[in-house]
Amino acid sequence: AQSVTQLDSQVPVFEEAPVELRCNYSSSVSVYLFWYVQYPNQGLQLLLKYLSGSTLVKGINGFEAEFNKSQTSFHLRKPSVHISDTAEYFCAVSERSGAGSYQLTFGKGTKLSVIP
Amino acid sequence: EAQVTQNPRYLITVTGKKLTVTCSQNMNHEYMSWYRQDPGLGLRQIYYSMNVEVTDKGDVPEGYKVSRKEKRNFPLILESPSPNQTSLYFCASSFHGQGQAFFGQGTRLTVV
Repeated sequence: AQSVTQLDSQVPVFEEAPVELRCNYSSSVSVYLFWYVQYPNQGLQLLLKYLSGSTLVKGINGFEAEFNKSQTSFHLRKPSVHISDTAEYFCAVSERSGAGSYQLTFGKGTKLSVIP
Repeated sequence: EAQVTQNPRYLITVTGKKLTVTCSQNMNHEYMSWYRQDPGLGLRQIYYSMNVEVTDKGDVPEGYKVSRKEKRNFPLILESPSPNQTSLYFCASSFHGQGQAFFGQGTRLTVV
């Protein structure tokens, strides 16, 4: 069974500074990887995804993530954060399970707080 | 506009009073699922459905029921709600489950 570990529950960072949100997963088979963002009082929306191909994935709002198979990581980065990036970020892994279905498992989330 | 619609957005109920949270998607997705979100625990899957009349348990199914009679709808049923089911609930849909999931706006349920 897969699991997803987000190493930091809260990350404070000053405006215009770079940020990295860490995500590690455990799985014995090929996986699809996602980062979602949740703004206050809203649902989750997709930031970016890795399905196959290039290991460096670019998403919306200037975010990018790099898939590292040997380290089973999918860390999210942004070179310069803005106040509007304050939100909770979830890493998720989709793995094929029995009967042809896919199981999407989420990490516990990282709250990013951008300080003016 | 592609969307997943949940209703109601907010619900306060009493212990033991049956309730249903509706979920509808307009993207012709085969895969739908329900999650609950609790502080410090992230999102945990309650039930999922691969297609009409096909449902299966997720990680935390106890106390919940679902049905999938039509492709677009996937209601979540709490037959006898208890205070430990107070949570934020999200419905999601996707093609086949392995791709991008689209989420509803959430239903904040309080059971007193």
